[in-house]
Amino acid sequence: ETGVTQTPRHLVMGMTNKKSLKCEQHLGHNAMYWYKQSAKKPLELMFVYSLEERVENNSVPSRFSPECPNSSHLFLHLHTLQPEDSALYLCASSQGDGGAVNSPLHFGNGTRLTVT
Amino acid sequence: DAKTTQPNSMESNEEEPVHLPCNHSTISGTDYIHWYRQLPSQGPEYVIHGLTSNVNNRMASLAIAEDRKSSTLILHRATLRDAAVYYCILIKWGADGLTFGKGTHLIIQP
Repeated sequence: ETGVTQTPRHLVMGMTNKKSLKCEQHLGHNAMYWYKQSAKKPLELMFVYSLEERVENNSVPSRFSPECPNSSHLFLHLHTLQPEDSALYLCASSQGDGGAVNSPLHFGNGTRLTVT
Repeated sequence: DAKTTQPNSMESNEEEPVHLPCNHSTISGTDYIHWYRQLPSQGPEYVIHGLTSNVNNRMASLAIAEDRKSSTLILHRATLRDAAVYYCILIKWGADGLTFGKGTHLIIQP
Protein backbone atom coordinates (compact mmCIF):
# COMPACT_ATOMS: atom_id res chain seq x y z
CA GLU A 1 0.00 0.00 0.00
CA THR A 2 1.67 3.20 -1.18
CA GLY A 3 -0.84 5.74 0.17
CA VAL A 4 -1.74 6.69 -3.40
CA THR A 5 -4.75 4.90 -4.87
CA GLN A 6 -5.60 4.91 -8.57
CA THR A 7 -8.84 3.74 -10.14
CA PRO A 8 -9.61 1.93 -12.29
CA ARG A 9 -6.61 -0.41 -12.54
CA HIS A 10 -7.49 -1.28 -16.14
CA LEU A 11 -9.53 0.62 -18.72
CA VAL A 12 -10.42 -0.16 -22.31
CA MET A 13 -12.03 2.63 -24.29
CA GLY A 14 -12.92 3.41 -27.87
CA MET A 15 -11.59 6.48 -29.62
CA THR A 16 -14.92 8.29 -29.33
CA ASN A 17 -15.46 7.60 -25.64
CA LYS A 18 -15.00 9.96 -22.70
CA LYS A 19 -13.59 8.52 -19.51
CA SER A 20 -11.79 9.73 -16.39
CA LEU A 21 -8.91 8.36 -14.34
CA LYS A 22 -8.99 9.01 -10.60
CA CYS A 23 -6.17 9.37 -8.10
CA GLU A 24 -6.48 9.80 -4.34
CA GLN A 25 -3.65 10.30 -1.87
CA HIS A 26 -3.91 9.70 1.88
CA LEU A 27 -0.50 11.14 2.82
CA GLY A 28 -1.34 14.78 3.47
CA HIS A 29 0.78 15.91 0.52
CA ASN A 30 0.21 19.16 -1.34
CA ALA A 31 1.61 18.35 -4.79
CA MET A 32 0.28 15.81 -7.28
CA TYR A 33 1.54 14.56 -10.64
CA TRP A 34 0.42 12.63 -13.72
CA TYR A 35 2.96 10.52 -15.58
CA LYS A 36 2.60 8.41 -18.73
CA GLN A 37 4.59 5.19 -19.22
CA SER A 38 4.46 3.74 -22.72
CA ALA A 39 6.02 0.42 -23.67
CA LYS A 40 9.77 0.69 -24.28
CA LYS A 41 9.83 4.40 -23.32
CA PRO A 42 10.82 6.21 -20.11
CA LEU A 43 8.17 7.70 -17.86
CA GLU A 44 6.98 11.07 -19.16
CA LEU A 45 5.82 13.84 -16.84
CA MET A 46 2.46 15.17 -18.03
CA PHE A 47 1.08 17.53 -15.39
CA VAL A 48 2.07 18.90 -11.98
CA TYR A 49 -0.27 20.47 -9.44
CA SER A 50 1.01 22.28 -6.36
CA LEU A 51 -1.51 23.51 -3.80
CA GLU A 52 -4.24 22.70 -6.35
CA GLU A 53 -2.71 25.05 -8.96
CA ARG A 54 -1.35 23.60 -12.18
CA VAL A 55 2.35 24.47 -12.31
CA GLU A 56 3.47 22.39 -15.26
CA ASN A 57 1.94 21.12 -18.48
CA ASN A 58 4.50 19.33 -20.61
CA SER A 59 3.02 20.00 -24.05
CA VAL A 60 0.33 17.41 -23.49
CA PRO A 61 -2.42 17.24 -26.16
CA SER A 62 -5.72 18.81 -25.19
CA ARG A 63 -7.48 15.44 -25.36
CA PHE A 64 -5.98 14.95 -21.87
CA SER A 65 -7.52 17.31 -19.33
CA PRO A 66 -6.42 17.26 -15.67
CA GLU A 67 -8.45 18.40 -12.70
CA CYS A 68 -7.37 18.86 -9.09
CA PRO A 69 -10.41 19.76 -6.97
CA ASN A 70 -8.46 19.53 -3.68
CA SER A 71 -5.04 18.45 -2.48
CA SER A 72 -6.13 14.82 -2.01
CA HIS A 73 -7.71 14.16 -5.39
CA LEU A 74 -6.51 14.33 -8.97
CA PHE A 75 -8.36 13.39 -12.13
CA LEU A 76 -7.33 12.91 -15.74
CA HIS A 77 -10.25 13.38 -18.13
CA LEU A 78 -9.86 11.61 -21.45
CA HIS A 79 -11.72 12.25 -24.71
CA THR A 80 -11.22 11.27 -28.36
CA LEU A 81 -8.00 9.42 -27.62
CA GLN A 82 -5.83 7.69 -30.21
CA PRO A 83 -4.50 4.11 -30.08
CA GLU A 84 -0.99 5.49 -29.44
CA ASP A 85 -2.30 6.89 -26.14
CA SER A 86 -2.48 3.34 -24.82
CA ALA A 87 -0.11 3.26 -21.84
CA LEU A 88 0.20 2.99 -18.08
CA TYR A 89 -0.87 6.26 -16.44
CA LEU A 90 0.72 6.86 -13.07
CA CYS A 91 -0.25 9.33 -10.39
CA ALA A 92 2.16 10.53 -7.71
CA SER A 93 2.17 12.91 -4.77
CA SER A 94 4.77 14.71 -2.67
CA GLN A 95 4.95 17.29 0.07
CA GLY A 96 6.08 19.92 -2.40
CA ASP A 97 8.39 22.02 -0.21
CA GLY A 98 11.63 22.36 -2.16
CA GLY A 99 10.11 20.42 -5.01
CA ALA A 100 10.95 16.77 -5.54
CA VAL A 101 14.42 17.12 -3.93
CA ASN A 102 13.58 16.73 -0.27
CA SER A 103 10.15 15.19 -0.63
CA PRO A 104 10.22 11.87 -2.48
CA LEU A 105 7.39 11.18 -4.86
CA HIS A 106 4.94 8.47 -3.83
CA PHE A 107 3.43 6.71 -6.82
CA GLY A 108 0.24 4.75 -7.23
CA ASN A 109 0.24 1.48 -9.17
CA GLY A 110 -1.26 3.08 -12.24
CA THR A 111 -4.17 2.66 -14.62
CA ARG A 112 -3.45 0.47 -17.66
CA LEU A 113 -5.29 2.18 -20.53
CA THR A 114 -6.01 0.53 -23.85
CA VAL A 115 -7.53 2.62 -26.64
CA THR A 116 -9.20 0.59 -29.38
CA ASP B 1 18.98 19.19 -17.35
CA ALA B 2 22.08 17.10 -16.70
CA LYS B 3 21.73 13.54 -17.96
CA THR B 4 22.54 10.21 -16.37
CA THR B 5 23.90 7.04 -17.99
CA GLN B 6 23.12 3.59 -16.60
CA PRO B 7 23.67 0.07 -17.94
CA ASN B 8 20.56 -1.35 -19.57
CA SER B 9 20.61 -4.47 -17.43
CA MET B 10 22.57 -6.25 -14.72
CA GLU B 11 22.35 -9.71 -13.23
CA SER B 12 23.21 -10.81 -9.71
CA ASN B 13 22.71 -13.75 -7.41
CA GLU B 14 20.40 -13.85 -4.45
CA GLU B 15 21.97 -12.95 -1.08
CA GLU B 16 24.96 -11.26 -2.75
CA PRO B 17 25.69 -7.52 -2.81
CA VAL B 18 24.74 -5.55 -5.91
CA HIS B 19 26.45 -2.39 -7.11
CA LEU B 20 24.41 -0.37 -9.61
CA PRO B 21 26.46 2.35 -11.34
CA CYS B 22 25.31 5.71 -12.65
CA ASN B 23 27.39 8.23 -14.58
CA HIS B 24 26.46 11.91 -14.51
CA SER B 25 29.51 13.72 -15.83
CA THR B 26 27.61 17.01 -16.49
CA ILE B 27 26.15 17.25 -12.98
CA SER B 28 25.94 20.78 -11.57
CA GLY B 29 26.52 21.89 -8.00
CA THR B 30 22.79 22.24 -7.37
CA ASP B 31 21.83 18.75 -8.61
CA TYR B 32 20.77 16.17 -6.07
CA ILE B 33 21.17 12.47 -6.93
CA HIS B 34 18.01 10.41 -6.42
CA TRP B 35 17.36 6.71 -6.94
CA TYR B 36 13.97 5.16 -7.52
CA ARG B 37 13.03 1.63 -8.46
CA GLN B 38 10.02 0.14 -10.21
CA LEU B 39 8.98 -3.40 -9.38
CA PRO B 40 6.91 -5.32 -11.95
CA SER B 41 3.30 -4.12 -12.22
CA GLN B 42 3.88 -1.30 -9.72
CA GLY B 43 4.63 2.39 -9.77
CA PRO B 44 8.14 3.62 -8.99
CA GLU B 45 9.21 3.86 -5.37
CA TYR B 46 11.84 6.07 -3.75
CA VAL B 47 15.04 4.33 -2.66
CA ILE B 48 17.57 6.93 -1.52
CA HIS B 49 19.08 10.33 -2.35
CA GLY B 50 22.18 12.40 -1.65
CA LEU B 51 24.12 15.51 -2.60
CA THR B 52 27.82 15.03 -1.78
CA SER B 53 28.21 12.58 1.09
CA ASN B 54 27.52 8.86 1.09
CA VAL B 55 24.11 7.94 2.47
CA ASN B 56 22.66 4.85 4.11
CA ASN B 57 19.07 3.87 4.81
CA ARG B 58 17.18 0.67 5.47
CA MET B 59 16.86 -0.12 1.78
CA ALA B 60 20.30 0.66 0.37
CA SER B 61 23.48 2.72 0.44
CA LEU B 62 24.47 5.47 -1.96
CA ALA B 63 28.13 6.03 -2.69
CA ILE B 64 28.91 9.33 -4.44
CA ALA B 65 32.26 9.91 -6.13
CA GLU B 66 34.36 12.78 -4.80
CA ASP B 67 33.96 14.71 -8.08
CA ARG B 68 30.23 13.83 -8.10
CA LYS B 69 30.44 12.66 -11.71
CA SER B 70 29.27 9.20 -10.80
CA SER B 71 27.42 7.36 -8.06
CA THR B 72 26.69 3.77 -7.07
CA LEU B 73 23.59 2.34 -5.49
CA ILE B 74 24.50 -0.58 -3.24
CA LEU B 75 22.07 -3.30 -2.24
CA HIS B 76 23.91 -5.11 0.51
CA ARG B 77 22.17 -8.47 0.21
CA ALA B 78 19.91 -8.84 -2.79
CA THR B 79 16.69 -10.81 -2.58
CA LEU B 80 14.37 -11.93 -5.35
CA ARG B 81 12.10 -9.03 -4.39
CA ASP B 82 14.81 -6.58 -5.41
CA ALA B 83 14.34 -7.50 -9.08
CA ALA B 84 13.21 -4.22 -10.63
CA VAL B 85 14.18 -1.34 -12.89
CA TYR B 86 16.42 1.09 -10.99
CA TYR B 87 16.45 4.76 -12.01
CA CYS B 88 19.20 7.27 -11.22
CA ILE B 89 17.80 10.81 -11.47
CA LEU B 90 19.30 14.28 -11.01
CA ILE B 91 17.02 16.90 -9.46
CA LYS B 92 17.55 20.60 -8.82
CA TRP B 93 16.19 22.21 -5.65
CA GLY B 94 12.69 23.49 -6.33
CA ALA B 95 12.21 21.44 -9.50
CA ASP B 96 8.75 20.02 -9.94
CA GLY B 97 8.55 16.36 -10.77
CA LEU B 98 11.22 13.89 -11.88
CA THR B 99 12.70 13.23 -15.32
CA PHE B 100 13.16 9.48 -15.73
CA GLY B 101 15.61 7.77 -18.07
CA LYS B 102 15.52 4.12 -19.10
CA GLY B 103 17.12 2.83 -15.90
CA THR B 104 18.86 -0.47 -15.20
CA HIS B 105 16.87 -3.68 -15.27
CA LEU B 106 18.22 -5.72 -12.34
CA ILE B 107 17.75 -9.48 -12.58
CA ILE B 108 18.25 -11.58 -9.45
CA GLN B 109 19.04 -15.26 -9.87
CA PRO B 110 18.04 -17.67 -7.08
